[in-house]
Amino acid sequence: GIQVEQSPPDLILQEGANSTLRCNFSDSVNNLQWFHQNPWGQLINLFYIPSGTKQNGRLSATTVATERYSLLYISSSQTTDSGVYFCAVGRADGLTFGKGTHLIIQP
Amino acid sequence: DTAVSQTPKYLVTQMGNDKSIKCEQNLGHDTMYWYKQDSKKFLKIMFSYNNKELIINETVPNRFSPKSPDKAHLNLHINSLELGDSAVYFCASSLSSGANVLTFGAGSRLTVL
Repeated sequence: GIQVEQSPPDLILQEGANSTLRCNFSDSVNNLQWFHQNPWGQLINLFYIPSGTKQNGRLSATTVATERYSLLYISSSQTTDSGVYFCAVGRADGLTFGKGTHLIIQP
Repeated sequence: DTAVSQTPKYLVTQMGNDKSIKCEQNLGHDTMYWYKQDSKKFLKIMFSYNNKELIINETVPNRFSPKSPDKAHLNLHINSLELGDSAVYFCASSLSSGANVLTFGAGSRLTVL
């Protein structure tokens, strides 16, 4: 099956800092999504981005499908950005998740 | 209106018992999923149904049996619960199978004592 690796596994930042989270995957995919799991356990879809670049407020994502990686950028971090960020990829069936990046934003 | 709703949210039970978790989506989606999140936060797909038909059945013990009475519902029944079944179970749905956005429910935390 497809392998998904996320880095870094853990990240602690001060409020206001910027960060880049990376997702590498082992095979071609036609589905790539980024999710945020907040401290209450809710999984929220951030981006559906099998290729290209998208932006939503302080968050943006870029996927380079030919090189099998995706990046999630968080600018001007806020404490509410804390949680686990998952990259998930797939083809014709369900998504395979990476192990996530655990982000802590300190006030 | 909750798009994907799961019940119960918390479930505490003894080893050997049988339990069910229910999931309903009101998004008009054709495809529904069950994912398991373990204590290390790792999310793994268990089952996928498209229009009431099973399309993905990962390596899951046959004590786990999904049932989809219609395309808006996907329930998960677990027989003879074991300690290792303790986890958070997430239901999700998408417009169809393949390259579509997944919408997740809030999760059901199962604790087996």
